This record gives sequence, structure tokens and C-alpha cells, in this order.
Amino acid sequence: DAKTTQPPSMDCAEGRAANLPCNHSTISGNEYVYWYRQIHSQGPQYIIHGLKNNETNEMASLIITEDRKSSTLILPHATLRDTAVYYCIVRVAGDTGFQKLVFGTGTRLLVSP
Amino acid sequence: DVKVTQSSRYLVKRTGEKVFLECVQDMDHENMFWYRQDPGLGLRLIYFSYDVKMKEKGDIPEGYSVSREKKERFSLILESASTNQTSMYLCASSLTISGSGNTIYFGEGSWLTVV
Repeated sequence: DAKTTQPPSMDCAEGRAANLPCNHSTISGNEYVYWYRQIHSQGPQYIIHGLKNNETNEMASLIITEDRKSSTLILPHATLRDTAVYYCIVRVAGDTGFQKLVFGTGTRLLVSP
Repeated sequence: DVKVTQSSRYLVKRTGEKVFLECVQDMDHENMFWYRQDPGLGLRLIYFSYDVKMKEKGDIPEGYSVSREKKERFSLILESASTNQTSMYLCASSLTISGSGNTIYFGEGSWLTVV
């Protein structure tokens, strides 16, 4: 079962910042928060991940609250090509210690002109 | 950049056929995975491999087998395709299994239709 909660959909104007929230209130101390996105008919694309500190890369920024119970993915200047389903994922340890990815329903982001 | 390449994007196969889905990664990753993705069910893990010739069952291995003869290549085999195996299949890889922070990278997906 997914351990995260995201809004089902969001809209954003092209060129504006898109802020996508995620709640993960049961996250444990050694679990990372990962963000992926999936454009229609393609495989999920890795965006960013973090543990405690805020992270930034060429695609996005990740802001994690101090209590780690929620996070926000920020696309600073959204483009039409950023229209996709965005998944917030907490890494889950499997029975063999192997960490599986459990994708929830994600947030469908629509970037409009 | 990590590249995970799936050999076929779209396939149509007949019920009972043996189907091979091939996947290659170019980053010397230890671990490779096969998922399927269906509307309303999300991603489900079929099999994974943490080393050459090693494999472990995921959540839904029934009707599937895998082969990993070389580190960079992981094949998914449908021994006798059935219509309920119509789905999008995703191959993925990661550098390590143990410890947090290892990132899983996905291929573009293979859309399989069984008729």
C-alpha cells in the first residue's frame, strides 16, 4: 500500500512555479522521499529524492518539512512538457530487505499556455 | 545519464504464444526489475534480479519467468501468453539494493496486447 497522499490533480500556468504537495506522515527515520513523473504512455522518470534536507537539481527542488511528514516538489518555471502524473514515493523495505517502489495514484499536473 | 532500453515498444501476440521482452541497461547496475502497470492497479513488481543468474519473485510472478545471463540484460518471458497479461511492462535498474538512497531508473515501457 502506498504510504503517501497527494492531491489527484493540479493546474499551473506555463512559466509559473508548480508546487506539488505530498503527505507522508508515517515515514520512518531512514526512509527517503522520491519523486517520479510519468508522461502518458512512457515509463516513470526519476526527478529527485531527499532524506531530511532540501534538495535541488536541474529539474526541480524538493522541500521537506522539519518533521518529515510532508514535502513539496517545486518546478520553478513549468512548461507544457511538464504535464504529467507526478508520484511521491517513500521507499519501503521488502521482506528480504529489498526496497520496493510503491506508487500511489499521484497528482495529474496540467500546465496550460 | 542512465539508459534503460526496452527492445519493443508495442507488441501484439496471440494467446498461447511464448513472448520475450528484452531489457538492457548501460550503467553497470547490479539490480534489474520487471514491473507491469495497469490502470487503477499502479505498478506491480513481477521479478527482480540482484546479480547475474540470480532472481527473486516479486508480487505477481505467476505466468512469468526471467533470465539474467549477463549483467546488463534482463529478459521477461511469458511462457504462454494470456489475455490477462495485456499490459504495459516496465523494466528498471538500480545500482544497489541495500541501504537507502539508491535510485531506480525505468525504461520507456513495452505495451503488450494479447489477442
